[in-house]
Amino acid sequence: KAGVTQTPRYLIKTRGQQVTLSCSPISGHRSVSWYQQTPGQGLQFLFEYFSETQRNKGNFPGRFSGRQFSNSRSEMNVSTLELGDSALYLCASSLNSDSEAFFGQGTRLTVV
Amino acid sequence: GQNIDQPTEMTATEGAIVQINCTYQTSGFNGLFWYQQHAGEAPTFLSYNVLDGLEEKGRFSSFLSRSKGYSYLLLKELQMKDSASYLCAVRDLGGSTLGRLYFGRGTQLTVWP
Repeated sequence: KAGVTQTPRYLIKTRGQQVTLSCSPISGHRSVSWYQQTPGQGLQFLFEYFSETQRNKGNFPGRFSGRQFSNSRSEMNVSTLELGDSALYLCASSLNSDSEAFFGQGTRLTVV
Repeated sequence: GQNIDQPTEMTATEGAIVQINCTYQTSGFNGLFWYQQHAGEAPTFLSYNVLDGLEEKGRFSSFLSRSKGYSYLLLKELQMKDSASYLCAVRDLGGSTLGRLYFGRGTQLTVWP
């Protein structure tokens, strides 16, 4: 059974650009959550999707957005990139809200 | 709000046993997770406790006391490869926080030969 797949693994962008990250959850999992991890802040919750609906959102500016498709794959978009957006972006999938959450390998975004 | 505390750093020697504690305060507790994260890699799921008691999985065990807001991860027969950051995370179902995990800052464990 394939795990959570995130693409791309690494990305370098310049300030002001926008970026789209992709996450394919474990087959059958309907919940996808996104997290930002930086050395200074640790793991910070971005948002959670379940059956194509955003159910929860963290304290990030509107430049951070996401969506989920009917096959449960999810995308995260960051517009007008800032240097401080450089981080490891992690996606976690779970069967539902009451089950274990498994992480993908992450996308390491560097903004220069 | 949610408050999850765990020690920043711990050290131990190969073959020893180490216990990493985690205390939490949440309004709608619905499970506690432990993850292992090696430098530069994604967190790897270790354990999930939703009821009180001890869950054993090979060299790793996790304990939960909901009344005390307390959990620990016990690592036995330590190996060098166990050197990593160990993250405690709580799922909170209170209010609009359905399905959200709150993470501690992680405990960096260093295993010495």
